[in-house]
Amino acid sequence: QKEVEQNSGPLSVPEGAIASLNCTYSDRGSQSFFWYRQYSGKSPELIMFIYSNGDKEDGRFTAQLNKASQYVSLLIRDSQPSDSATYLCAVKYNNDMRFGAGTRLTVKP
Amino acid sequence: EAGVTQSPTHLIKTRGQQATLRCSPISGHTSVYWYQQALGLGLQFLLWYDEGEERNRGNFPPRFSGRQFPNYSSELNVNALELEDSALYLCATAPPAGGRDTQYFGPGTRLTVL
Repeated sequence: QKEVEQNSGPLSVPEGAIASLNCTYSDRGSQSFFWYRQYSGKSPELIMFIYSNGDKEDGRFTAQLNKASQYVSLLIRDSQPSDSATYLCAVKYNNDMRFGAGTRLTVKP
Repeated sequence: EAGVTQSPTHLIKTRGQQATLRCSPISGHTSVYWYQQALGLGLQFLLWYDEGEERNRGNFPPRFSGRQFPNYSSELNVNALELEDSALYLCATAPPAGGRDTQYFGPGTRLTVL
């Protein structure tokens, strides 16, 4: 069974802090890794993707991938109240996309 | 470039009725995925269509069905509605099957069963 696991949270950080969101996956053959942000009542929005081991930075967001440990993470620097949302980790192998249950992040002013 | 569109935005039905939800993909996308997201819960995979064919199905009863049209748009039909079918139904589309590309979501249809 191909699984994607995330801590459900809630994760609470103060404004300006770094938020660290983690995800593990079970299928070693997974090829592509994605982070989506979902505001309450809205649809998921793609914010980051990463294919290779290491870090990938985009503005305040950094995705980290470690295929040996089957671990992918998302760091949000200088967290803002507008970052408060549920973050979904998604892992793709061929045409099979698996989503984690999401981590709820709250950024407190 | 237009994104994924879904209609209607909201749908209210009574138990036992049928619901039809629609999805139009991003231009060039041939794959359509349907998900159910009950309030406060994660995404549950329903169906995947590609090039007009049903390619995969999640763990849902047969009363959940759909189809994909030649223009790659898709319909999700839910027959004999039950109260627990109340949820946000999300459509996501992707380029031709294979590769690393991700799925892009539409705004969803909120189905309420009374």
